Parts: sequence; structure tokens; C-alpha cells
Amino acid sequence: AQKVTQAQTEISVVEKEDVTLDCVYETRDTTYYLFWYKQPPSGELVFLIRRNSFDEQNEISGRYSWNFQKSTSSFNFTITASQVVDSAVYFCALSEIRGSTLGRLYFGRGTQLTVWP
Amino acid sequence: DAGVTQSPTHLIKTRGQQVTLRCSPKSGHDTVSWYQQALGQGPQFIFQYYEEEERQRGNFPDRFSGHQFPNYSSELNVNALWLGDSALYLCASSLLLPRLRGTDTQYFGPGTRLTVL
Repeated sequence: AQKVTQAQTEISVVEKEDVTLDCVYETRDTTYYLFWYKQPPSGELVFLIRRNSFDEQNEISGRYSWNFQKSTSSFNFTITASQVVDSAVYFCALSEIRGSTLGRLYFGRGTQLTVWP
Repeated sequence: DAGVTQSPTHLIKTRGQQVTLRCSPKSGHDTVSWYQQALGQGPQFIFQYYEEEERQRGNFPDRFSGHQFPNYSSELNVNALWLGDSALYLCASSLLLPRLRGTDTQYFGPGTRLTVL
């Protein structure tokens, strides 16, 4: 069975601090995707990044960076120099792949990030 | 390029009533997935539609049903509403068979917030 765990329920930081959101996943599949989504108070889930199970190359995009490690089944997300606008709930998700089709998403419970000015 | 749209934005119903929620996928997408997000929880997968047929279903009772139309838009129907059905209902669209790198992602709409009294 697929499972995504986000152990941090809430994180509070002061603006300009760096913050890392943790994500640990469980799957028996050898082929899968991992995602991070951001959910601001408006409710819409905003796609941030996708990684497939064959690509462990870490990525930096502006103030965002991701650390994918298959050996520890972790897919952590770091915001550098946080800003008030980063305040939101962040979800890590796992997608199964059946053949070449994208299946359902399994979400963690989310981490509420609050950035104080 | 229009994103995923959902209607209505908010809905209030009473126990025992029936409700229909609507979703139009992102332009070019052919697959629609529905998720239920209770307060403080991560989204839970309800079902996925492709070519007007239900491809996958999560652990939801038969009171939850859906439909996909030839133009790929979709409806979620919930019969005999319970208080516990109060939640944010999210629609996501994707391509079943990603043809280009970067298209194998589910994109979400703004959601419909359902309150059952």
C-alpha cells in the first residue's frame, strides 16, 4: 500500500529564515512519481514540483529546492529566505504509475507553514 | 490557457439531500480525478474518469458517483448527504498517457466547499 507521511503538522518561522518540510513515503512500486503542492487559504492546490522514481537529481528553482533520496524514501522541500507569501499548507503526494498511465495521488496530511514578518 | 474550473464555489445542503458538483478540465486534458478534503486533512481520492468511464475508485461508498461527458468535463454526485460529507471537493485534470515530459501531472481546480447541515 502507498503511504505518505508528513510528520511536521505546523512550522512557524520569521521572514528570511530557511525552512525545510519533511516527507517520507512508502510504496512497493519501483516506478512512481512524487509531488509537492502548495495550498494557500483560497483552497486551490498549486503544483510545485514533480520527481519520478528514476531521477534522484536534486533541483533548485529560485528560493525552492528539493532533496529526493530513495535510500531513505524521503522527498524534502526547502524554502530559502522565506517570505510572508510562502505561508500556506504544503502537501507531499505520491502517484502510482500503471504502465504509462498516471494514477491516483496519495497525499500526506500537510504541513502548515506560517512565516511571520 | 484556461485552467481547471469548478462550480459552484460554495454549497449548503441539508442531510439526506443530493448534490451535483461540476468540473471542466484544463485545455488539452482528457482525464478527471475527484478528491475530498476534510478540514485539516490531506485530499482523499474518490475516483478517476477517462473516456467517460470510471478507471479507478477510492474507498468511498456508492452514494458517490460520477460522470464524464464527451467534452471531458465531469460531474460528481453525492446522494443521501451526511454531515460527514462536509468538505472541500477538488477536481484535478491530467493526461492519461503523458506524451511530453512535463505533462504527467494532475492540476487542480479551486474546489467546491460543501457544507451539510
